[in-house]
Amino acid sequence: DAKTTQPPSMDCAEGRAANLPCNHSTISGNEYVYWYRQIHSQGPQYIIHGLKNNETNEMASLIITEDRKSSTLILPHATLRDTAVYYCIVSLGTGGFKTIFGAGTRLFVKA
Amino acid sequence: NAGVTQTPKFRVLKTGQSMTLLCAQDMNHEYMYWYRQDPGMGLRLIHYSVGEGTTAKGEVPDGYNVSRLKKQNFLLGLESAAPSQTSVYFCASSSLAGTDTQYFGPGTRLTVL
Repeated sequence: DAKTTQPPSMDCAEGRAANLPCNHSTISGNEYVYWYRQIHSQGPQYIIHGLKNNETNEMASLIITEDRKSSTLILPHATLRDTAVYYCIVSLGTGGFKTIFGAGTRLFVKA
Repeated sequence: NAGVTQTPKFRVLKTGQSMTLLCAQDMNHEYMYWYRQDPGMGLRLIHYSVGEGTTAKGEVPDGYNVSRLKKQNFLLGLESAAPSQTSVYFCASSSLAGTDTQYFGPGTRLTVL
């Protein structure tokens, strides 16, 4: 599975959009991009995933570049409860036993 | 739907003691996983199961054993606990439906003295 690169930390003002980048330059054509987050010491929570097209759900939007070498997770109106570690993962989507959770990006949402 | 539950939430062991962590899911998922997370680090896969009666090693399997006798349960055992096994343990499950979306439990915080 391809590796991902994320900034170690980011800040965002409450109410503003949080844009979290992820590089996955070695991604293969059949690998998905997944995003999870982990709030404090809780279990990771699935946010969104995509293959080629941009995706949106009630939590966030996922923008994948045309060459698929990078993506951005967008939280449109960040709240203090969005403060968490965000993990970008590349996976074939055939079972999580090859899923690699790196260090992620620690997002601080400030009032 | 309770989702994924883990028992116990906290445990303190002495070196050499044994214990079993229980994971249960009510989503009829085929795949189940055990991860450990050390301070400031990402999750590392210990063992996983692709169905009832099957288990396989992950990235860091040494010192742990697992069993999946029932589809809804996945047990993680420590036969002789060591201080290096002090960690937070997370269980997760996912379905066979061609997606890698994993649903995680709340975690078990284990301290080995």
